[in-house]
Amino acid sequence: DGGITQSPKYLFRKEGQNVTLSCEQNLNHDAMYWYRQDPGQGLRLIYYSQIVNDFQKGDIAEGYSVSREKKESFPLTVTSAQKNPTAFYLCASSIFSTYNEQFFGPGTRLTVL
Amino acid sequence: DQQVKQNSPSLSVQEGRISILNCDYTNSMFDYFLWYKKYPAEGPTFLISISSIKDKNEDGRFTVFLNKSAKHLSLHIVPSQPGDSAVYFCAACCGDNAGNMLTFGGGTRLMVKP
Repeated sequence: DGGITQSPKYLFRKEGQNVTLSCEQNLNHDAMYWYRQDPGQGLRLIYYSQIVNDFQKGDIAEGYSVSREKKESFPLTVTSAQKNPTAFYLCASSIFSTYNEQFFGPGTRLTVL
Repeated sequence: DQQVKQNSPSLSVQEGRISILNCDYTNSMFDYFLWYKKYPAEGPTFLISISSIKDKNEDGRFTVFLNKSAKHLSLHIVPSQPGDSAVYFCAACCGDNAGNMLTFGGGTRLMVKP
């Protein structure tokens, strides 16, 4: 079955620690995205990558970092510089062409204690 | 500055009736619009989309209407079912940006009562 997987589903970390969220897709999509969702709010774009070894900042990139070494993988690191990291994180992928929907993973709930 | 807005945070309808979810946008360059459905603690799933060359797109119980002059789109669900209870996000795309960047609204929570 093709799809997007994110792990873990729930993640707890102490304040000041970096943490990496995993995102893998086997849809052969070129583009991948990371979003953050806070309670009662929409999805805000953190980073996106349209091709391997290239990525761009989204609207709220401060305190986050990404890498795109493989087409299938787009991990997100939440660094200690992120002031309010507790949120629901969603990864998505799409064909890199206009007028196509993005497919989302199940999300990771990060709680910083 | 929110470019895509869903002004109703929640909506409650009776099973079997019509649900109408609204979305407004400000960027006239947007030319492709999508609706996603999201259950708690899950990723959004794509529902339906519409290109700006159309004013209506229908898929089963779901119909999206686009009014370009008003920069407004709406999602109609007929008949509504309890399983439709979820948060619905509208998203807008494309136009002057390369690739497939989506701008999302804040979502509307739909509750369908049996």
